[in-house]
Amino acid sequence: DARVTQTPRHKVTEMGQEVTMRCQPILGHNTVFWYRQTMMQGLELLAYFRNRAPLDDSGMPKDRFSAEMPDATLATLKIQPSEPRDSAVYFCASGLDGGHQETQYFGPGTRLLVL
Amino acid sequence: DQQVKQNSPSLSVQEGRISILNCDYTNSMFDYFLWYKKYPAEGPTFLISISSIKDKNEDGRFTVFLNKSAKHLSLHIVPSQPGDSAVYFCAASEAQGAQKLVFGQGTRLTINP
Repeated sequence: DARVTQTPRHKVTEMGQEVTMRCQPILGHNTVFWYRQTMMQGLELLAYFRNRAPLDDSGMPKDRFSAEMPDATLATLKIQPSEPRDSAVYFCASGLDGGHQETQYFGPGTRLLVL
Repeated sequence: DQQVKQNSPSLSVQEGRISILNCDYTNSMFDYFLWYKKYPAEGPTFLISISSIKDKNEDGRFTVFLNKSAKHLSLHIVPSQPGDSAVYFCAASEAQGAQKLVFGQGTRLTINP
């Protein structure tokens, strides 16, 4: 049963600390997306990759957020330094661009609380 | 600037009746539309989609309608079941495939027994 995995599932940290969230996309998928869910904005796209190359990170605060794909099986989203307004649920999703699959598959999310 | 809007944060429907969830969009370049369903503590899961060349797509109890001139789509669930209680997100993209999606804010649907 292929699925997207995310770690950690929950993270509580203090303002100013670095936070790293990890995502393992479904094997064989070539696109990876990072979203943030907030009450006001719903699901916001932060960044996305195709074949490990970043295509769009316009939704991400560049001064504190960074997203990378060190290899095809791992995507990371880092926040440094973290702020209380970063508290949200962060979702990773993967998909197969150019294939017959027409959608993105989401992981369970990382619930982040910055105190 | 919300390009995809779901103006109803919540909706309550009696079991067995029809649930209608609405979504409006502003970007005329959107070519493909999707609905995702989300249960608490889980990621969204794909439910149904529609291409802009169609005005209706049906899958079992779920039907999506697209009105391009009004830039409006809706999701109909009939009959509604308690397991349909979830948050529903409308999403749009400029092409089919695993492309960049723009999501609405979501509508929380509650099905009452």
